[in-house]
This record gives sequence, structure tokens and C-alpha cells, in this order.
Amino acid sequence: DAKTTQPNSMESNEEEPVHLPCNHSTISGTDYIHWYRQLPSQGPEYVIHGLTSNVNNRMASLAIAEDRKSSTLILHRATLRDAAVYYCILRDPSQGGKLIFGQGTELSVKP
Amino acid sequence: GAVVSQHPSWVICKSGTSVKIECRSLDFQATTMFWYRQFPKQSLMLMATSNEGSKATYEQGVEKDKFLINHASLTLSTLTVTSAHPEDSSFYICSGARYNEQFFGPGTRLTVL
Repeated sequence: DAKTTQPNSMESNEEEPVHLPCNHSTISGTDYIHWYRQLPSQGPEYVIHGLTSNVNNRMASLAIAEDRKSSTLILHRATLRDAAVYYCILRDPSQGGKLIFGQGTELSVKP
Repeated sequence: GAVVSQHPSWVICKSGTSVKIECRSLDFQATTMFWYRQFPKQSLMLMATSNEGSKATYEQGVEKDKFLINHASLTLSTLTVTSAHPEDSSFYICSGARYNEQFFGPGTRLTVL
């Protein structure tokens, strides 16, 4: 399974943008880049995913490097409710689509 | 987004008993469901992949005779922890796959005394 590397933790101020990086240098051509987040004592929540092009949705934006070896999840205006562990995961639909979670980035948001 | 429920949300049992956890996709059909467990301060660990009507595929190191998985319908999968012991105490989370996304349940906290 392809692996991802994320910083263990990051801090942000409320209402400021947050850029969460992810390195995936061994990504294959069929791997999708998925982001999930998990609040304490809850199941993970889908955030966004992409393959090659940058993606936007109501929660966040995903910027994918041209060589696909890294990506950045962008929260445009952090709120206190965005404090969570963010997981960057590579998913290969041809391999059953299972998600293998790494350690993720614990994001704290200061008021 | 699609909704996945789990029941119970928490359970406490005595060592040696068996515990069944249900995972339901409420508003979509999930041909594939996944079971994870998570220990405190750790990430989720995939235990098994469950396909409707067939045997589950277990990840390396997961005892299939201890963690029995049944996926009898497109909306229900169950995980039974047999002869539970204190080291099985964990947060168990299921997910259902729809298209290119997985939707996770809220988790079940199992405490074995």
C-alpha cells in the first residue's frame, strides 16, 4: 500500500486559512488522494478527494502537485469546529478501494 | 452525505463473553463494508473487508475466528468479537462504500472487564 507522510500536528488561528500538507512520493497512477477528518470519539468524516486536478467543495480545497507526489488540503477559514485529526490517504479503486490510515495531522484551532 | 449507523454505541462486557456490533447503511446500499478498530491516541487499523454475500477478507494479523464478520444484506454487516478479553477493548468503526467514497459509522466503544 502506498504511504503518505503528514506532520504530526499543526496549529491555526480561528478564521485564518490552514494549509495541511501531505507527501505521497510513491503514489501510483491509479491512486486517488482522499482526505478524511476525525473528531474525538467519532468516526472519520469524508472531506474531499481528487486524482490529478485541484478540487473544491463546500468544506475545503485540495491542491495536487503536478507530479502528484504531494498535495495540500486547504481550509479557507478555520473554525473551532475544524479542530480534528486530518488523514491523507491514497486509495486504489482497483484494489477493493480500502483505506489504509496513517497517523494523520492533529489540527488545533485557537480562538 | 450517506449515513451509516452502528449499534450499540458502547458496550461493557465480562471477559469470555461474545459481543455483536451492527453496522447499517441507512440511505444507500453498500456492497462493500469495512471494519476498523482504533486504540487510544492511535490511528484507525483496518481489520477486514466485507462483501455482501461472501466471506470477509481479513487483514494480516487479524484472527478471523475471533472477529466474525457477516454481511448478509446490502445494508447490514455485523462484527462479533468472540470470547472477548481486556486486550480487545477498543473503538470499533465500520464504513460503507458508495462509488468512490467511504462513509463511516459513529463507532462502538467496547470495554471488556
